[in-house]
Amino acid sequence: SQTIHQWPATLVQPVGSPLSLECTVEGTSNPNLYWYRQAAGRGLQLLFYSVGIGQISSEVPQNLSASRPQDRQFILSSKKLLLSDSGFYLCAWSGAGTFYNEQFFGPGTRLTVL
Amino acid sequence: QKEVEQNSGPLSVPEGAIASLNCTYSDRGSQSFFWYRQYSGKSPELIMFIYSNGDKEDGRFTAQLNKASQYVSLLIRDSQPSDSATYLCAVIGNQFYFGTGTSLTVIP
Repeated sequence: SQTIHQWPATLVQPVGSPLSLECTVEGTSNPNLYWYRQAAGRGLQLLFYSVGIGQISSEVPQNLSASRPQDRQFILSSKKLLLSDSGFYLCAWSGAGTFYNEQFFGPGTRLTVL
Repeated sequence: QKEVEQNSGPLSVPEGAIASLNCTYSDRGSQSFFWYRQYSGKSPELIMFIYSNGDKEDGRFTAQLNKASQYVSLLIRDSQPSDSATYLCAVIGNQFYFGTGTSLTVIP
């Protein structure tokens, strides 16, 4: 069966510091991978998605970036965090190919920027 | 107009009752529809998906899709306190869109 991991689970960072969140998927090959952010009391905002190694599509212009160095690894980064970057960051995967498949979420990383 | 709209609630139902959650969407080309359950502080969990008009039943859950009217609903029969959560509607059209969720409380 497929499993998706995210770490760290929680993170408190000062404004202006860098960020690196990691997501890995087990039990599937060539998944579509996604990064979402859920701000307090708000809906899910799609940040990035990837259909393969090195292929990243950005949905929202911001100070975040994403990379996919391996088939089942997805990394979210920032060089300098802003207060507005606080939120619940969720990685998700779906089956290879069509985007019309259901997405499955990891446990998330709760980021607080102070 | 938002791509996916849900009543934010909160919706309260007594234990054992039927909870009805509704969602409308704007993209007529949407092909896939999903319901996720999200407990407070946790990540969303897929509970139902539906692709064709009509009803789809899975245990106590029934998803209903009406593409002509552009709405999808979720019925929860015999509601339990453990069903208390936020329910997110998701629609795939040109992109994957999530609603902001409906908060459901089942009162024992």
